[in-house]
Amino acid sequence: EVQLVQSGGGLVQPGRSLRLSCTASGFAFGDYDMTWVRQAPGKGLEWVGFIRSKVYGGTTENAASVKGRFSISRDDSQSIAYLQMNSLQIDDTAVYYCVRRRRFLRYGNDAFDIWGQGTMVTVSS
Amino acid sequence: DIQMTQSPSSLSASVGDRVTITCRASQTISSYLNWYQQKPGKAPDLLIYAASSLQTGVPSRFSGSGSGTDFTLTISSLQPEDFATYYCQQSYSIPPTFGQGTKVEVK
Repeated sequence: EVQLVQSGGGLVQPGRSLRLSCTASGFAFGDYDMTWVRQAPGKGLEWVGFIRSKVYGGTTENAASVKGRFSISRDDSQSIAYLQMNSLQIDDTAVYYCVRRRRFLRYGNDAFDIWGQGTMVTVSS
Repeated sequence: DIQMTQSPSSLSASVGDRVTITCRASQTISSYLNWYQQKPGKAPDLLIYAASSLQTGVPSRFSGSGSGTDFTLTISSLQPEDFATYYCQQSYSIPPTFGQGTKVEVK
């Protein structure tokens, strides 16, 4: 079964750090870009960033709202993606989803086709 | 950043109804448009990619159309399991951006 299982999260004080993990199974993890998307309570979906597969350089992109504070990495040998969150702020409070980014080469399009279960991050003093 | 605007923000419908949700991009995005369904407390699911291609396993009552700046998601005959929130998302440029969502509720 293709799945993403997330761990980490919880309650953290403003200014502190937290790392989320996302363990993949059922597919060739190294062949895919991995993305993080978050959803504040009662709000819509917000892209946080992604890391490309090694074939596409293994580089990262981040949303302006988290640039310089959040970083994404991957360990292809263990099929794990990470989201390191530093200098956390109150408005980082959200459910964070790990998501597989699939490239549809025929169309030149990409989409988020496999989602983890989500993990809640609450930033509060 | 490309802004995605969905309408309506919510709608009430009955089982068997035909439902249409629209999504407008602030600039042309060709067919780089995806649709997702999210149920309360769950992660979103991909329904449609590249504006009109049905994701594997998604019922054929779902369809997508459009290109450029205007797109539509249609549910031909609403089923009980379709009451949910729907999001469009553009993959034309970084950052990928989502619409604000359309909640489909029971009438």
